[in-house]
Amino acid sequence: AQSVTQPDIHITVSEGASLELRCNYSYGATPYLFWYVQSPGQGLQLLLKYFSGDTLVQGIKGFEAEFKRSQSSFNLRKPSVHWSDAAEYFCAVDRDDKIIFGKGTRLHILP
Amino acid sequence: DVKVTQSSRYLVKRTGEKVFLECVQDMDHENMFWYRQDPGLGLRLIYFSYDVKMKEKGDIPEGYSVSREKKERFSLILESASTNQTSMYLCASRGLGVDTQYFGPGTRLTVL
Repeated sequence: AQSVTQPDIHITVSEGASLELRCNYSYGATPYLFWYVQSPGQGLQLLLKYFSGDTLVQGIKGFEAEFKRSQSSFNLRKPSVHWSDAAEYFCAVDRDDKIIFGKGTRLHILP
Repeated sequence: DVKVTQSSRYLVKRTGEKVFLECVQDMDHENMFWYRQDPGLGLRLIYFSYDVKMKEKGDIPEGYSVSREKKERFSLILESASTNQTSMYLCASRGLGVDTQYFGPGTRLTVL
């Protein structure tokens, strides 16, 4: 059962530009949501998580995400990207205590 | 610091071999997971264990089995490895409730 959709497989932005990565979920009225990042050759690192409360969540490395129940979305944003942000980003949802991941969005940064 | 370790970073096996991938966590977590990661497919859940000797199938359990004899250790078993099981395998652990999930470094398995 598909629980998380990341519609963009690849995204390219210029260094210093703003970024938004899209994520839609299809499980749970009040889902627990996550964003992870995987840099080349590295393990998965948690960027941020949403469990309840304020729908705008701040994470590490200057990232934030906004939970919008009406749109079943949890989009990741950053106001100004750095070359070191080039990586693969995964959105995930807690489905019955199991974390289910989207297929990922690979972010490319132009100098 | 939470630590999830996996027995091998790289593994090469032949078709038909029995393969064991081991994962150990040091945080007394109840829940442990095995995923495989393939390009363009993200991470897909193979099996999940919520307690010793308890297991639950994930989204792609075919061709795999698991063992959890001790709380800290969760093993993934490929009874008869096939080339389509060549992949990166990631183990994770998580405490009860809404805790964060912690990942191991991964095992890149190649089946020839």
